[in-house]
Amino acid sequence: GAGVSQSPRYKVAKRGQDVALRCDPISGHVSLFWYQQALGQGPEFLTYFQNEAQLDKSGLPSDRFFAERPEGSVSTLKIQRTQQEDSAVYLCASSPRPGTDDQPQHFGDGTRLSIL
Amino acid sequence: SQQGEEDPQALSIQEGENATMNCSYKTSINNLQWYRQNSGRGLVHLILIRSNEREKHSGRLRVTLDTSKKSSSLLITASRAADTASYFCATDAIKAAGNKLTFGGGTRVLVKP
Repeated sequence: GAGVSQSPRYKVAKRGQDVALRCDPISGHVSLFWYQQALGQGPEFLTYFQNEAQLDKSGLPSDRFFAERPEGSVSTLKIQRTQQEDSAVYLCASSPRPGTDDQPQHFGDGTRLSIL
Repeated sequence: SQQGEEDPQALSIQEGENATMNCSYKTSINNLQWYRQNSGRGLVHLILIRSNEREKHSGRLRVTLDTSKKSSSLLITASRAADTASYFCATDAIKAAGNKLTFGGGTRVLVKP
């Protein structure tokens, strides 16, 4: 079946512009995660949704970052007034259900964001 | 911030040799997972080991976990050129919301044919 799909794959924006990154999780997956991966580093947690509820946004770097999942499926990560330090790969992952210990996360190929 | 360190940061081996990489972490965990990432792609889950397990095998992969030392190792036996990738350990911490993962910095593995 289809995996996690992210769009666009690449996004170039000028400093100060707003951007929106989309994630289509695997159908039926309850949990959805956003991670930020800087060049040469491991992914870092940004935020977590259980269905449409955003249960953890502790990793969002600033109030310029906003995420939503209004119908419990597709999610959008929005970054306002982008800055050069926002340049990174943004990864989305989903998993079937929360609360169980041994389930892997399924990752999309990410959106590579470059801020000029 | 990252959960811990991975060692080595980079590894270059010949096809057929074994590759070993280590991971340390800081908090109590439910489980520890290893992921592979090919250049420009997302992460692919390889293997999960629970906190009450000490060793696990999957094909050419062997994972160990020492919770007293808060460390894990991943061994890839009889490596192939297709194993060239970055490998990340990730921990699912106790009380973490929704099983969110905390990743190490990764080990970049190059397998030369």
